[in-house]
Amino acid sequence: QKEVEQNSGPLSVPEGAIASLNCTYSDRGSQSFFWYRQYSGKSPELIMFIYSNGDKEDGRFTAQLNKASQYVSLLIRDSQPSDSATYLCAAFFGGYQKVTFGTGTKLQVIP
Amino acid sequence: EAGVAQSPRYKIIEKRQSVAFWCNPISGHATLYWYQQILGQGPKLLIQFQNNGVVDDSQLPKDRFSAERLKGVDSTLKIQPAKLEDSAVYLCASSLVWGETQYFGPGTRLLVL
Repeated sequence: QKEVEQNSGPLSVPEGAIASLNCTYSDRGSQSFFWYRQYSGKSPELIMFIYSNGDKEDGRFTAQLNKASQYVSLLIRDSQPSDSATYLCAAFFGGYQKVTFGTGTKLQVIP
Repeated sequence: EAGVAQSPRYKIIEKRQSVAFWCNPISGHATLYWYQQILGQGPKLLIQFQNNGVVDDSQLPKDRFSAERLKGVDSTLKIQPAKLEDSAVYLCASSLVWGETQYFGPGTRLLVL
């Protein structure tokens, strides 16, 4: 069983819509979660992290964490073509000092 | 603040040859990671250092891959001998401490022929 799972996509949304990206994880001991954006041919860059249940907002981005259900999501409001990229979810397992990445979801924002 | 530096950016070698990658993390970052990213997949952790000690190398193919981090700063990753399936992007990342945000270097794109 994969430790961090994401739908590979592609997820296509029209410009201006809300894009919803989901991630599930297997280890209940996971402490914090990261969303990275990776443009084609580039390195991942952090969008935001979350470690408490509930929502965390940063501009057009909202991360949601539900530890009971073991999922974390990323919402992108007012999606722009420049948001087209692969979004990587990563979970930090404190007990093993280990960060594990999912395979990423490719997002396409259609103008 | 300077970012994570990696070199070379691109490398083409033939199978069974050896290759080495270099990484210079952000100054003051104690944790350094090496990832392998195959096209269309997420980054796979190869090895994680805390200062100059190895924290996790469970996914490092130790029969052909080796890594070191001398003096807790720069790190090198070596492949000897390379196989076709080693063709990938090798990413180096660093974080202030383990569990914190990772900052990635530009990566080294390796093609094994």
